Amino acid sequence: KQEVTQIPAALSVPEGENLVLNCSFTDSAIYNLQWFRQDPGKGLTSLLLIQSSQREQTSGRLNASLDKSSGRSTLYIAASQPGDSATYLCAVINYGQNFVFGPGTRLSVLP
Amino acid sequence: DAGVIQSPRHEVTEMGQEVTLRCKPISGHNSLFWYRQTMMRGLELLIYFNNNVPIDDSGMPEDRFSAKMPNASFSTLKIQPSEPRDSAVYFCASSFRPGSTEAFFGQGTRLTVV
Repeated sequence: KQEVTQIPAALSVPEGENLVLNCSFTDSAIYNLQWFRQDPGKGLTSLLLIQSSQREQTSGRLNASLDKSSGRSTLYIAASQPGDSATYLCAVINYGQNFVFGPGTRLSVLP
Repeated sequence: DAGVIQSPRHEVTEMGQEVTLRCKPISGHNSLFWYRQTMMRGLELLIYFNNNVPIDDSGMPEDRFSAKMPNASFSTLKIQPSEPRDSAVYFCASSFRPGSTEAFFGQGTRLTVV
């Protein structure tokens, strides 16, 4: 059974810092991996989708990498801003198209 | 595209009552997922459909929960009878426009059972 973990559980940084969020999964036979952002009381917003054949994806200040063999993905946020404060979740997509979510990293960026 | 649409946004009901949550997926998507989110357990997959057919309902907590997808543009999640421990945010998501498995989530239904 696929299990997804995320480290750290919570992170507080001053504005402007570069930071890395980690996601690990136990079964490397995944189809894709997707990073989401969730603001308090809101739904999930898709940030980046990395297909299994890709090593990384970039969108603006966000860069996500994927290492299937080691069961890891990282989300890099450059020059963090207070508006980046949210919970970040990674989800692995199995070949059955089922999404398995990690518990999330709660990020606070202090002005 | 309006995205995944869920209704109602909030629902407060008394224990023992029937609750029906509704979801309209993004047009062209052929997979639909129902998730439940709580502080204690995070996001849990309840059931997912592919081409309107339930593929995996192993996450449905018990017989009180049922889900249907009568056509490609509509799904319901029903709880009967509801219990206080069912209080959570229920999300619907859709995915798999051909060539992409990116999932898009609705805004969720916050259910409170008193």
